[in-house]
Amino acid sequence: SQQGEEDPQALSIQEGENATMNCSYKTSINNLQWYRQNSGRGLVHLILIRSNEREKHSGRLRVTLDTSKKSSSLLITASRAADTASYFCATDRETSGSRLTFGEGTQLTVNP
Amino acid sequence: DGGITQSPKYLFRKEGQNVTLSCEQNLNHDAMYWYRQDPGQGLRLIYYSQIVNDFQKGDIAEGYSVSREKKESFPLTVTSAQKNPTAFYLCASSILNSQPQHFGDGTRLSIL
Repeated sequence: SQQGEEDPQALSIQEGENATMNCSYKTSINNLQWYRQNSGRGLVHLILIRSNEREKHSGRLRVTLDTSKKSSSLLITASRAADTASYFCATDRETSGSRLTFGEGTQLTVNP
Repeated sequence: DGGITQSPKYLFRKEGQNVTLSCEQNLNHDAMYWYRQDPGQGLRLIYYSQIVNDFQKGDIAEGYSVSREKKESFPLTVTSAQKNPTAFYLCASSILNSQPQHFGDGTRLSIL
């Protein structure tokens, strides 16, 4: 079964607005990672947050992690049409060895 | 430029045929992975390898086989035993376990 579940499944916003995507997971993790996938392409790593971290920033991206609620959120500020993509969270579970478990993703559409 | 190269980009399989998908990396990464992605869904792990001449089954290994004879190469064979092979196949690599994964641009496999 999938470890991560993203919410919402799809999100449509206007350029300049902020986009927030959420990820929930079930078991204890070492870290949680966010990836972006443009249509028909491979995934691109965006940010990694460790289980002992609560918040991380990278440019227009802000990721939070709440291990007590087993959830994470990805915020993209001042969105651009080029941010249109699918966004996936992936968890590195404590018992999984080197494996990542991916959620089913959020499809973000940013309208010009 | 360092990266991961997957070939071919598109592949067609006939009934009863085995086909092999190529994955080559020049990032000097120890770990390599194969994922399957179905439309609108997340990634499911087929096989992974942490070191040359060693690999482990993922969540959906049935009907697939791999080899890891060189650090740079991790080919995936889709055998005739895989009855529903139509999907987008992604190869990835990482420096160490649990570190960010770098992805190729995928191979789209279809049935003739």
